[in-house]
Amino acid sequence: NAGVTQTPKFRVLKTGQSMTLLCAQDMNHEYMYWYRQDPGMGLRLIHYSVGEGTTAKGEVPDGYNVSRLKKQNFLLGLESAAPSQTSVYFCASSYRGQGYGYTFGSGTRLTVV
Amino acid sequence: SQQGEEDPQALSIQEGENATMNCSYKTSINNLQWYRQNSGRGLVHLILIRSNEREKHSGRLRVTLDTSKKSSSLLITASRAADTASYFCATDRGSGNTPLVFGKGTRLSVIA
Repeated sequence: NAGVTQTPKFRVLKTGQSMTLLCAQDMNHEYMYWYRQDPGMGLRLIHYSVGEGTTAKGEVPDGYNVSRLKKQNFLLGLESAAPSQTSVYFCASSYRGQGYGYTFGSGTRLTVV
Repeated sequence: SQQGEEDPQALSIQEGENATMNCSYKTSINNLQWYRQNSGRGLVHLILIRSNEREKHSGRLRVTLDTSKKSSSLLITASRAADTASYFCATDRGSGNTPLVFGKGTRLSVIA
């Protein structure tokens, strides 16, 4: 039972490059989330999804896009990476919305140079 | 915007002592959750307390919730070196199914 798997674990991008972070969960959870974690800032929500085919913006969505074509997968895209997007990205999932704990992946450490 | 805010930012104790961390939040909630994050790892869910509950226990963890003061505390009893981690509180916004908002965390160091 893998839980939430994020790939890749580490990545270095040059400014202006694009990439996609993949999140996969095997728990049949309806809700999935992308957060970024920066020193001194805690976790900030980028985008989330309440079900297959749905997405919504979080607190810091600019510069990111997401897709949830399959229930088990939630993709986070950076179209044109900027140094300000250097961060650790965490994907999480939950069975439903409020009242359920989140299961987190182990994170992707992204550096944009 | 931050909903929950942990206090203290950092805490250092000896093994065997109790550790208490506090969380204050701004708006009404339905649930409050606590998470642990070991260095370089993802967050792990510890406990969820609902707005109509005042206290909840799980092993060596005790969580209290005071909705009148908009605050919660996490107590870890008889701490161990393995408890060294960052601890985060997370709250919903009390309406709809909006995602959790996390605080900045308390960094706990347990010295053997």
